[in-house]
Amino acid sequence: KQEVTQIPAALSVPEGENLVLNCSFTDSAIYNLQWFRQDPGKGLTSLLLIQSSQREQTSGRLNASLDKSSGRSTLYIAASQPGDSATYLCAVTGGSYIPTFGRGTSLIVHP
Amino acid sequence: DAGVIQSPRHEVTEMGQEVTLRCKPISGHDYLFWYRQTMMRGLELLIYFNNNVPIDDSGMPEDRFSAKMPNASFSTLKIQPSEPRDSAVYFCASTTGAGGMNTEAFFGQGTRLTVV
Repeated sequence: KQEVTQIPAALSVPEGENLVLNCSFTDSAIYNLQWFRQDPGKGLTSLLLIQSSQREQTSGRLNASLDKSSGRSTLYIAASQPGDSATYLCAVTGGSYIPTFGRGTSLIVHP
Repeated sequence: DAGVIQSPRHEVTEMGQEVTLRCKPISGHDYLFWYRQTMMRGLELLIYFNNNVPIDDSGMPEDRFSAKMPNASFSTLKIQPSEPRDSAVYFCASTTGAGGMNTEAFFGQGTRLTVV
């Protein structure tokens, strides 16, 4: 059974810092990995999708990397802003097409 | 496409009442998932459908929970009778298996259920 772990569970940083969120998974037989953002009381917004054949994806200040063999992904946020405050979730999808989620990292960026 | 649409957004009900949550997946998507999110357990998969057929309902917590997908554009999750411990946010998501490695899951805004 696929298990996904996210570290740290919570993070508080001053505005402007570059930061890294970590995601690890136990079964490397995946199709892809998605990073989501969830604002309080809201749904999940997809940020980046990395196919298993890819090493990284970039969108604006976000960069996600994938090392499938070691079962790890990182989400790098450059020059963090207060508007980045949210919970970040990673989900891995395998051949069954079922996204399996980690517990998320709760990020606070303070001015 | 308007995305995955869930209704209602909020539901407050009394213990013992029947609750029905609704979901409209993205047109053309052949997989539909129901998740429950709580502070204690995070996002848990309850059940998923492929081409309107329930494939795996092992995540459904009890017989009080049931889900149907009568057609490709509509699914319901029913709780009868509801209990306070069912209070959570319920999410519906859809995707298409035709995407292969590019398969991306899209989520609705969720239904926040409170059972008092």
